[in-house]
Amino acid sequence: EIVLTQSPDFQSVTPKEKVTITCRASQSIGSSLHWYQQKPDQSPKLLIKYASQSFSGVPSRFSGSGSGTDFTLTINSLEAEDAATYYCHQSSSLPDTFGQGTKLEIK
Amino acid sequence: EVQLVETGGGLIQPGGSLRLSCAASGFTVSSNYMSWVRQAPGKGLEWVSVIYSGGSTYYADSVKGRFTISRDNSKNTLYLQMNSLRAEDTAVYYCATCLAGGDAFDIWGQGTMVTVSS
Repeated sequence: EIVLTQSPDFQSVTPKEKVTITCRASQSIGSSLHWYQQKPDQSPKLLIKYASQSFSGVPSRFSGSGSGTDFTLTINSLEAEDAATYYCHQSSSLPDTFGQGTKLEIK
Repeated sequence: EVQLVETGGGLIQPGGSLRLSCAASGFTVSSNYMSWVRQAPGKGLEWVSVIYSGGSTYYADSVKGRFTISRDNSKNTLYLQMNSLRAEDTAVYYCATCLAGGDAFDIWGQGTMVTVSS
């Protein structure tokens, strides 16, 4: 099973700040890495697929990069509505796995 | 409108059984690969099972032998039969799929809560 480790687990940030969340895989997964946003009492929503492809309708301040074992989700000019927990997900090999999540708090 | 609606959750005693349903609209369940993902209270996301368009199925080790994923093409509905339930199966269960191609989950249901407790 491929283990995904996100960092940090929690971050408190101010609006307009730039945020970087990392996801490290226990073995190479190519570009089969996806990012989701989940707000309290809501289902997860896809932000980025295949490491760097923005999903339709997602604000342009969200971007992704990386390949192999190291991946990054970047949020430029953070907005208050971005308060949420963010998860990475690998689909390179079964079982699919998720990172433990990164909770963003807006100051 | 593309939509997934889960039903069937509830309170069940340890060792009991429950069947979750996920009704799809706006697309055909049998033409897409469909998954179940769960989230224990206050915890992260955990992949549970997948059924591919060809019918192949796969399970997380934590549920293998106890859970069965299936679909009814005539009802355009996905199911998760859960047997021998344990306290650690307590979670919100989501069905999810990938309509835009590939295997990132771009459509999720609203989830249904399963509580296993005596």
